[in-house]
Amino acid sequence: QVHVVESGGGVVQPGRSLRLSCVASGFDFRNYGMHWVRQAPGKGLEWVAVISSDGNKKKFVDSVDGRFTISRDNSKNIVYLHMNSLRVEDTGLYYCAKGNRGSGFDYWGQGTLVTVSS
Amino acid sequence: DIVMTQSPLSLPVTPGEPASISCRSSQSLLHSDGKDYLTWYLQKPGKSPQLLIYLASTRASGVPDRFSGSGSGTVFTLKISRVEAEDVGVYYCMEGLQTPYTFGLGTKLEIK
Repeated sequence: QVHVVESGGGVVQPGRSLRLSCVASGFDFRNYGMHWVRQAPGKGLEWVAVISSDGNKKKFVDSVDGRFTISRDNSKNIVYLHMNSLRVEDTGLYYCAKGNRGSGFDYWGQGTLVTVSS
Repeated sequence: DIVMTQSPLSLPVTPGEPASISCRSSQSLLHSDGKDYLTWYLQKPGKSPQLLIYLASTRASGVPDRFSGSGSGTVFTLKISRVEAEDVGVYYCMEGLQTPYTFGLGTKLEIK
C-alpha cells in the first residue's frame, strides 16, 4: 500500500535554513506530482508547493516563493522542501501529499514539525 | 487567489442525523474540461487529513457512501446522510483549479 513519510523538521532560528524530506512508496512515484501542505499550530491547512512528476514544473504559495525550493529524486522516490530565510510564521506541521489524478491529494504523510523561534 | 468560504464553522450533530456543509468559491471552479476542481477533506483529531471527495462529487477510494458531494461553479455542498461517531473532525474544502490551491477555514463537526 501507499506510504508517505516526512522527516527533517526541528527547531531553528529565524533566518536559518532547513530541508524537509518525503519518502514515498507503494505507487509509481515518477508518474505523480507531489505537494507540501502546512498547518500552523491550532490553525487550518495551507498549500505550500507542488512539483510535477518529472520535476520540471514547480509552484509555490506567495508567502514562501523565493525562500523555499522544491526538488525530487525519482530514482529514490524522494521529494525535498528546501526552506531558506525561515520566519516565525513558517512554524507548523508540514505534510507531504501525493497528487491525485482527479485533483486533490489522496495520500498524506503524518507530518514533520518545524518550529522557527529565537 | 481564490477565496474559499465554508459554513458553518461549527456543526453539532446527533448520531444518525444528516449533516450538510457549504463551501463557496470566489470564482468558478469549473474548468474548460467540464469538471469542477473542488475537493473535500476530513481531518480527524490528531490525524493527517484524508481525501473524501474530488471533482466535486467523486468519492475517494474507501470513503463510505453516506458521504456525498454536489455543486458546480462557485457553490458546493458536502452531505453526510447519517452521521456516525467516527465522522468527528474538521472538514475542509479546497480548490484545485489553480495555484496557489486554497482551503476553506474548516468546519468542525462534533457529536451532540
